[in-house]
Amino acid sequence: QSVLTQPPSASGTPGQRVTISCSGSSSNIGSKTVNWYQQLPGSAPKLLIYSNNQRPSGVPDRFSGSKSGTSASLAISGLQSEDEADYFCAAWDASLNGVVFGGGTKLAVL
Amino acid sequence: QVQLVQSGPEVKKPGASVRVSCKASGYTFTSSGITWVRQAPGQGLEWMGWISAYNDNTNYAQSLQGRVTMTTVTSTSTAYMELRSLRSDDTAVYYCARYEGTYSDNRFDPWGQGTLVTVSS
Repeated sequence: QSVLTQPPSASGTPGQRVTISCSGSSSNIGSKTVNWYQQLPGSAPKLLIYSNNQRPSGVPDRFSGSKSGTSASLAISGLQSEDEADYFCAAWDASLNGVVFGGGTKLAVL
Repeated sequence: QVQLVQSGPEVKKPGASVRVSCKASGYTFTSSGITWVRQAPGQGLEWMGWISAYNDNTNYAQSLQGRVTMTTVTSTSTAYMELRSLRSDDTAVYYCARYEGTYSDNRFDPWGQGTLVTVSS
């Protein structure tokens, strides 16, 4: 059971906008920043969004992050087939004194 | 470019220890830290801990306290993760990543390619 809660799956068609949610508590998302990682099939994870809504260089602006209270969201607009991957949210948890991840959301592009 | 290259796959028996290496290049090794994350087959990501390459300060996940040790060798820009008293549920792909930022505002980028550790009798 993950500390951060994500839906196990999401889907969309090419060109659509999809959002993935990540729910936590006051000891993590409610007081710390959220990162998102993308894991393509058979590959290592890659940083997609950091500090709630910042994109590393090279990440397309189709990807955006937001946070409100104890929840965060990742939005992908103009969905493309290469976006099919697992997406994980992560944050520092002050109670556990460590980084916690969401269980991951498998995104299918139909 | 910043790159982390990990050591090859390992097969260990229950009760044994494993050491995985992570060689960094493309940046000043002591300017940031290294974190370790593992992923059991078909499962999500589990944070194991991190080490500052500047002063060797460590912070380990509570679930692994006493079984894991993280170290660095600055002369070779290499980080190591040792896990002891291996059990079958330690079977996973182990990733290293550079970590930057503070405890509450951190990021892991980039990641190594991963090392499969299989624990089996």
